[in-house]
Amino acid sequence: DAGVIQSPRHEVTEMGQEVTLRCKPISGHNSLFWYRQTMMRGLELLIYFNNNVPIDDSGMPEDRFSAKMPNASFSTLKIQPSEPRDSAVYFCASSLGHTNTEAFFGQGTRLTVV
Amino acid sequence: QKEVEQNSGPLSVPEGAIASLNCTYSDRGSQSFFWYRQYSGKSPELIMSIYSNGDKEDGRFTAQLNKASQYVSLLIRDSQPSDSATYLCAVNRRSGGGADGLTFGKGTHLIIQP
Repeated sequence: DAGVIQSPRHEVTEMGQEVTLRCKPISGHNSLFWYRQTMMRGLELLIYFNNNVPIDDSGMPEDRFSAKMPNASFSTLKIQPSEPRDSAVYFCASSLGHTNTEAFFGQGTRLTVV
Repeated sequence: QKEVEQNSGPLSVPEGAIASLNCTYSDRGSQSFFWYRQYSGKSPELIMSIYSNGDKEDGRFTAQLNKASQYVSLLIRDSQPSDSATYLCAVNRRSGGGADGLTFGKGTHLIIQP
């Protein structure tokens, strides 16, 4: 299995621009998670989906952040408009969900907003 | 608010010795406990999971759980320089009936001295 796949690996954008991060979970996994990692705050859960349905988005910092999961093999995290404080590494993770909560992470997207 | 606490380190251990990493958590409803290893610039990698009180061994790694004390630990025997990384403790309320997002500690930076 190829594992969780994220794209792009690196993204540099100007403040005010829209940014879209993409994730393909491990095939057969029912749950998908978006995390953000910074030096100050560590790894924070932003939102997660079970069977493509958003369950808890309380970690989404502002309305500028949105996430979708149109099908079992694809999810996006969008930031519009982006701000310099959004600079971080964004990780997507997936797990089997119903039977096993062990989560496996993608390689992450390093976002820099200038 | 769910909290997971870890000593940030760095924890320096001589090669071949036992490294002991500790974690406490605040949510008594936590059911699943995980240790992730994260090398600099890489994504978190799951190395151990534990769900019941007591010890769980996997190769050179032993996870220990004490729910009454809300305490989780990871022991690494025969430490190798390749074990040098940041170790993240994570907890989850669900035991397998459905995925819930993980709450992470900020990690302990472990250095194995050759």
